[in-house]
Amino acid sequence: KQEVTQIPAALSVPEGENLVLNCSFTDSAIYNLQWFRQDPGKGLTSLLLIQSSQREQTSGRLNASLDKSSGRSTLYIAASQPGDSATYLCAVYSNTGKLIFGQGTTLQVKP
Amino acid sequence: NAGVTQTPKFQVLKTGQSMTLQCAQDMNHEYMSWYRQDPGMGLRLIHYSVGAGITDQGEVPNGYNVSRSTTEDFPLRLLSAAPSQTSVYFCASSKQGSTEAFFGQGTRLTVV
Repeated sequence: KQEVTQIPAALSVPEGENLVLNCSFTDSAIYNLQWFRQDPGKGLTSLLLIQSSQREQTSGRLNASLDKSSGRSTLYIAASQPGDSATYLCAVYSNTGKLIFGQGTTLQVKP
Repeated sequence: NAGVTQTPKFQVLKTGQSMTLQCAQDMNHEYMSWYRQDPGMGLRLIHYSVGAGITDQGEVPNGYNVSRSTTEDFPLRLLSAAPSQTSVYFCASSKQGSTEAFFGQGTRLTVV
């Protein structure tokens, strides 16, 4: 059974820092991996989708990498801002198209 | 472009009542799914559909029914609400099973 783990569960950093969020999965036979952002009381916003044949994707200050062989993905946030404060969720696609989520990392960026 | 629309946003039910959570998407996506989000449990798949007329169970299907009569709509029915079904429910859609998923804003359900 695929399990997705995100470490740390919570992270607090000062504004301007570069940071890395980690996601690991137990079964390397994944199709794609997607990172989401969730603000308190809100829905999920898609940040980046990494296809299984790709090693990384970039969008603005965000960069996500995927290493299927080691069962890991990282989300790199450059020059963090208070507006980046949110919960970040990692999810992997199984071969049947189901999304399996980690429990998220709650990020606080202090001004 | 509305994307994925869920209604209602909030609902309070009494134990034993039934209700339907609505989900509609306007992106012509084939794949739709329902999740519940609980503290400490993350998001868990309830039911999903790979196209009109086709549905299947996810990780936590008990107490819920779904149907998919059109590509656009994927309602979730609670047959007899229980306090354990108090949760935030999210509907998602994607063009195919493993392509980018888009989520609705959620329905916060409380069963008393």
